[in-house]
Amino acid sequence: EDKVVQSPLSLVVHEGDTVTLNCSYEVTNFRSLLWYKQEKKAPTFLFMLTSSGIEKKSGRLSSILDKKELFSILNITATQTGDSAVYLCAVEPYSGTYKYIFGTGTRLKVLA
Amino acid sequence: GAVVSQHPSRVICKSGTSVKIECRSLDFQATTMFWYRQFPKQSLMLMATSNEGSKATYEQGVEKDKFLINHASLTLSTLTVTSAHPEDSSFYICSAPGLTSYEQYFGPGTRLTVT
Repeated sequence: EDKVVQSPLSLVVHEGDTVTLNCSYEVTNFRSLLWYKQEKKAPTFLFMLTSSGIEKKSGRLSSILDKKELFSILNITATQTGDSAVYLCAVEPYSGTYKYIFGTGTRLKVLA
Repeated sequence: GAVVSQHPSRVICKSGTSVKIECRSLDFQATTMFWYRQFPKQSLMLMATSNEGSKATYEQGVEKDKFLINHASLTLSTLTVTSAHPEDSSFYICSAPGLTSYEQYFGPGTRLTVT
């Protein structure tokens, strides 16, 4: 059965800390892995990863994929209270269908 | 970027009634849309794939007679929760894949509360 597992489930840090969120997966015919940030409404897109070892970066956020070990990490440096959200990892297991399997998410709270 | 809207954003209904949720792609055409359900503090669970001009494809365990999906045009998919019960209370989100990338564009979601 295809599955996506995220860890930790929740995390509380102070502003300025660096956090690393983990996503491991077991799917057939992997096509892509995506990270989303969800605050109170729908998820907003952060990164899409398809190739191993290539870091995607956007400001204080970065992500990398390891297709051999079947995981991805999302790093957030110099965290701010506005980073508080649920971070979702999703994997597309079938080529071209856009059917994503979501992980349970990591709930991040950044304290001032 | 592409925009997907949902209506209503929030609805409260009584047990036994039906509720229709609309999902629209505002500036692009979507032959496929996806419907997700999210319970509190849980992740998004794919319910069904909505296909323009053909029947929806439901995920295992999702009752197609209870969650009616109609993809009437290239910009509109509707989800009707029939004979709603309190356990159907959830956050329903639709999404549509972009035409030029692999990312999906999510609607803002609809919070359904069945009393």
